[in-house]
Amino acid sequence: DQQVKQNSPSLSVQEGRISILNCDYTNSMFDYFLWYKKYPAEGPTFLISISSIKDKNEDGRFTVFLNKSAKHLSLHIVPSQPGDSAVYFCAASSDSNYQLIWGAGTKLIIKP
Amino acid sequence: GAGVSQSPRYKVAKRGQDVALRCDPISGHVSLFWYQQALGQGPEFLTYFQNEAQLDKSGLPSDRFFAERPEGSVSTLKIQRTQQEDSAVYLCASSLLGPPRGRKNSPLHFGNGTRLTVT
Repeated sequence: DQQVKQNSPSLSVQEGRISILNCDYTNSMFDYFLWYKKYPAEGPTFLISISSIKDKNEDGRFTVFLNKSAKHLSLHIVPSQPGDSAVYFCAASSDSNYQLIWGAGTKLIIKP
Repeated sequence: GAGVSQSPRYKVAKRGQDVALRCDPISGHVSLFWYQQALGQGPEFLTYFQNEAQLDKSGLPSDRFFAERPEGSVSTLKIQRTQQEDSAVYLCASSLLGPPRGRKNSPLHFGNGTRLTVT
């Protein structure tokens, strides 16, 4: 039973365009969501987060959107750069279960 | 050091061997987590320490897995009688604060992991 799903294993985007990574969740108790970025042979690094009281959080080129009614969040990267090529993980937690529940990741490839 | 350090980076073990994986968290970080990441999957929670206390070990897959953090800094994850299904990347993460206070606004800092291959 996957509570956090990233249905696209990979995504290819032209440099300079917008990258949109999607994440769906099933547990309505989740109230905090995070995106992590992972390069090969390295651990994940924190990118951006959003609390369920908001529907948008922006940090530079990265924006996360949360649609609670659809149980869906997305990460927008604009403009995409070659260094953005990595695996992106969506994760979620709740008050009753602080453990982060992770999606399987989406591999983003930025084409020059 | 500046970040979370894990050793060894790679470990090959024969089925039935015991292994010990080490994690040096960021100095001063209260919380320490161990995760297991199988190929093509996201990390899965194994266990959580707040200082030297192991507050949650609900994710440990069997009693062959044991973790400790005796002085509240370095942690060791031990796997006894390794099996092929134990093959995975084992990630350690630390954070300045622990849940519940640190659940938000205290993100996890991960090490580069130990890739364990059991043959």
